[in-house]
Amino acid sequence: AQSVTQLGSHVSVSEGALVLLRCNYSSSVPPYLFWYVQYPNQGLQLLLKYTTGATLVKGINGFEAEFKKSETSFHLTKPSAHMSDAAEYFCAVSEASNTGKLIFGQGTTLQVKP
Amino acid sequence: GAVVSQHPSWVICKSGTSVKIECRSLDFQATTMFWYRQFPKQSLMLMATSNEGSKATYEQGVEKDKFLINHASLTLSTLTVTSAHPEDSSFYICSARNSGTNEAFFGQGTRLTVV
Repeated sequence: AQSVTQLGSHVSVSEGALVLLRCNYSSSVPPYLFWYVQYPNQGLQLLLKYTTGATLVKGINGFEAEFKKSETSFHLTKPSAHMSDAAEYFCAVSEASNTGKLIFGQGTTLQVKP
Repeated sequence: GAVVSQHPSWVICKSGTSVKIECRSLDFQATTMFWYRQFPKQSLMLMATSNEGSKATYEQGVEKDKFLINHASLTLSTLTVTSAHPEDSSFYICSARNSGTNEAFFGQGTRLTVV
């Protein structure tokens, strides 16, 4: 079985500050890991994903995440927050053999203050 | 990039009626599609896996007779909410898995309000 825990349902940062959204996962098989962003009343947009290979993954809009197997973590970071980054962020996990069937974390609302 | 289209984007229906939501992969074939449900301020929960040409696989606790899924072609899956009630009001999102690349892409979601 797989599960995802996002620490902090709400994160607030100032514009220009570092963004750190935490995600820990549990999986009995090698995981595929994802970060999605959702704007109000919209679907999900893929920010980045880890499948195999390099553990530091770079995504769109300046976001990146590092897969740390020893810590079962996949935290999302961005060096400098923009007002447009304010949204809901979801971490998700799937089994490599069944991509598309995603288990989502609870979500983290990112607020960016001017 | 790959596009998945959901229709309608939003719908309001009366209690007791049925509503059909379509999920189409526009530029790739999708043997498998997934239906998720999202309550306000909550995460997405997988409802069922839709398989082209066969019965859908429902997650535990999801009523298959209430949420009818049909995947009649490689580019279209439909979710029908039968005898809708206000508690069925939610945001429904589909994703389609590209049969060739195995990547999955999300639709834009459908906001269902039952009054």
